[in-house]
Amino acid sequence: AQKVTQAQTEISVVEKEDVTLDCVYETRDTTYYLFWYKQPPSGELVFLIRRNSFDEQNEISGRYSWNFQKSTSSFNFTITASQVVDSAVYFCALSEADTNAGKSTFGDGTTLTVKP
Amino acid sequence: DSGVTQTPKHLITATGQRVTLRCSPRSGDLSVYWYQQSLDQGLQFLIQYYNGEERAKGNILERFSAQQFPDLHSELNLSSLELGDSALYFCASSQGARGDTQYFGPGTRLTVL
Repeated sequence: AQKVTQAQTEISVVEKEDVTLDCVYETRDTTYYLFWYKQPPSGELVFLIRRNSFDEQNEISGRYSWNFQKSTSSFNFTITASQVVDSAVYFCALSEADTNAGKSTFGDGTTLTVKP
Repeated sequence: DSGVTQTPKHLITATGQRVTLRCSPRSGDLSVYWYQQSLDQGLQFLIQYYNGEERAKGNILERFSAQQFPDLHSELNLSSLELGDSALYFCASSQGARGDTQYFGPGTRLTVL
């Protein structure tokens, strides 16, 4: 069965600090997709990134970067020079291509608070 | 704005009642997904439809049902409501049936009194 674990329930940092949000997943499929979403206090879910299981290249988008390591089944998310606007709940999610195709499993989320 | 619309934004009702939540996907998207987000259970996948057909099912209660219409909009019906059904219900859409990025609507906040 597919499973996503975000062990950090809450993280608090001071503005301009770097912060890494951890995500560990479990799947038996060889083809799968990983996602990160942001849920700010306003409540909507905002898509951040999608990765397929065959692409382990790390990605950087502005202050955001993602580290995908199949060997450790991890897909971690780093925010560099955090800002108050980064305060939100961040969810990691997994979609299998075969066994549970169409069904997405979300982690429990990590609440990030960035203090000025 | 993701392009996914959901109505109503808020819904307050009583136990035992039935409600219908509506979702319109982004233009060109064929898949619609429904999720329930409650404080104690996180974001739970309920069901997926692709081009009018049910494709995947999560832990959706028998009191809940959904459908996707020919114009691709979807409705989630919740009946015999209980206090525990109070939650934020999200709809998401994607182009394909598996592994595509899901874009989420703003959600419907359901309160059962």
